[in-house]
Amino acid sequence: LAKTTQPISMDSYEGQEVNITCSHNNIATNDYITWYQQFPSQGPRFIIQGYKTKVTNEVASLFIPADRKSSTLSLPRVSLSDTAVYYCLVGVALGNDMRFGAGTRLTVKP
Amino acid sequence: ETGVTQSPTHLIKTRGQQVTLRCSSQSGHNTVSWYQQALGQGPQFIFQYYREEENGRGNFPPRFSGLQFPNYSSELNVNALELDDSALYLCASSPRQISYNEQFFGPGTRLTVL
Repeated sequence: LAKTTQPISMDSYEGQEVNITCSHNNIATNDYITWYQQFPSQGPRFIIQGYKTKVTNEVASLFIPADRKSSTLSLPRVSLSDTAVYYCLVGVALGNDMRFGAGTRLTVKP
Repeated sequence: ETGVTQSPTHLIKTRGQQVTLRCSSQSGHNTVSWYQQALGQGPQFIFQYYREEENGRGNFPPRFSGLQFPNYSSELNVNALELDDSALYLCASSPRQISYNEQFFGPGTRLTVL
């Protein structure tokens, strides 16, 4: 199982861009990188997934360098409602192969 | 399209009792996974069911068991409850056995063991 390391917490202010970096040094060739968001007392929600280079959707961007040993989730112009825990996962299938870590608790301040 | 639903929302049990939690998967999804999330931690994989058969299990003792029904809904049963079983139990469904990003989570059942 590829182990991931991400900051425990981050603070930001409304309107700023937030970048959360995840380290995954032993990522395997077939592994994808997936980010989930979780609000208190709710189930996690898929944000974005990528394999290499850059992926962008309506919510976030995911930057993956050529060696794939790290990835950065970028949230543009955050708002108070983006306060949540963000999980970086590496693997092929959620469950046995892909595990949640402790996540990064993002707090957006006014 | 109805999302993943779980019942009950909250539950209080005492040590040694048994509990059954229920999950209705999203329409068209044949795979259901269960997770335990203790306070302040990430979700921990319990097991997965695919077409009514257990298909993968995390590091949980046998007193955690499950079922999946022909309509793909699922139950999680926990026997001989312990205080450490207090957690948010999450159910997630997906449209096929091996999924990348297509896991849809329910709101969870908050279990408190006294």
